Amino acid sequence: ELQLVQSGAEVKKPGESLKISCKASGYRFSNYWIGWVRQMPGKGLEWMGIIYPGDSDTRYSPSFQGQVTLSADMSISTAYLQWRSLKASDTAIYYCVRQEWAYSWFDPWGQGTLVTVSS
Amino acid sequence: EIVLTQSPGTLSLSPGERATLSCRASQSVSSNYLAWYQQKPGQAPRLLIYGASSRATGIPDRFSGSGSGTDFTLTISRLEPEDFAVYYCQQYGRSPFTFGPGTKVDIK
Repeated sequence: ELQLVQSGAEVKKPGESLKISCKASGYRFSNYWIGWVRQMPGKGLEWMGIIYPGDSDTRYSPSFQGQVTLSADMSISTAYLQWRSLKASDTAIYYCVRQEWAYSWFDPWGQGTLVTVSS
Repeated sequence: EIVLTQSPGTLSLSPGERATLSCRASQSVSSNYLAWYQQKPGQAPRLLIYGASSRATGIPDRFSGSGSGTDFTLTISRLEPEDFAVYYCQQYGRSPFTFGPGTKVDIK
């Protein structure tokens, strides 16, 4: 079964670093793009960027360029979303998604990881 | 950046009724690269339609998509109780990929 399973909820303080994960199963991880989508509390969906695990080609939305880092480890079929210094405004649910190619619909979605940043 | 506008913001209907949701793009969407997603409270979004009119695997045929260029429509022919949710359109033809603000379909 094609599946994306994300790491659990996180509570962090402003200025802390964080790396959340998305483990893929049921398909060849290296051959498909993994994207990330943010959903702030009570709000809509925002695309953050994508990574192709096969060669680590990474593309960011201008809104998130420089704010986060995407990476992937093919050996364990896992993609990551990382922050160096969290802000309260990073509080949101983050979803990973699979894309068949760079310009493709998002399917499936991970279950989401809630990140709460509060002092 | 392509801006997507969805209307109405909220649609109040009864089970069995027909729902018509609109999505308008600020520029033409390349190759009709337009998708629709359903999101229920506390759940991740789920793909319903891609390529403007192709149903995703396992999606009932009461869901249909149409449109091209800048105007797209999602139609739910007869609402089932499980269809009350928020629906988002998304364009994936030009980066950055963008979503509309959503249409909430609630029970009248």
